[in-house]
Amino acid sequence: DTAVSQTPKYLVTQMGNDKSIKCEQNLGHDTMYWYKQDSKKFLKIMFSYNNKELIINETVPNRFSPKSPDKAHLNLHINSLELGDSAVYFCASSQTTDSYEQYFGPGTRLTVT
Amino acid sequence: AQTVTQSQPEMSVQEAETVTLSCTYDTSESDYYLFWYKQPPSRQMILVIRQEAYKQQNATENRFSVNFQKAAKSFSLKISDSQLGDAAMYFCACSGSARQLTFGSGTQLTVLP
Repeated sequence: DTAVSQTPKYLVTQMGNDKSIKCEQNLGHDTMYWYKQDSKKFLKIMFSYNNKELIINETVPNRFSPKSPDKAHLNLHINSLELGDSAVYFCASSQTTDSYEQYFGPGTRLTVT
Repeated sequence: AQTVTQSQPEMSVQEAETVTLSCTYDTSESDYYLFWYKQPPSRQMILVIRQEAYKQQNATENRFSVNFQKAAKSFSLKISDSQLGDAAMYFCACSGSARQLTFGSGTQLTVLP
């Protein structure tokens, strides 16, 4: 049973395109996150989303927009893709009232050409 | 806000030996959690061990244990009886009231047969 899943696992696209990455969790968690891992393996939070509140990291360009159709899904939409957006994007989830522990998806490697 | 520092970009250990990975952190919060995550070549982020800041006792998970020095803001990971499958990138992370993980830059561990 997959706890946190992401689709697609690999995404290759051209500059200027718009793309989405989907994330689903079947853990019944309240909070979901998007992280970006750059080419140097550095991981940084992009967004966290509780079913009541979206917390946006100020360093994230507004070309990135998370969308949550329901508590179990948090999709990441990216407009006007740039070369610098190439990275691995991880979705994660946690139970708000739990021990802050986060469960990660397998990651989506985005390559912008 | 938190910062996490891993000063060892690379470490190596002989199979069956013990290795310690270093991590220091800084946070203004009194209630926080510390984690070690493992990222093998498959890129899946796997939680290795967690430590609640309010607990003085060091966490242990089988061959993995931590040395948590709260006053020094140090959180090192000790891997005993190292196995080939332990080879991976190891990330130290801190989570505070915002429930967002702040990661260190990672330590690439090589296990030598």
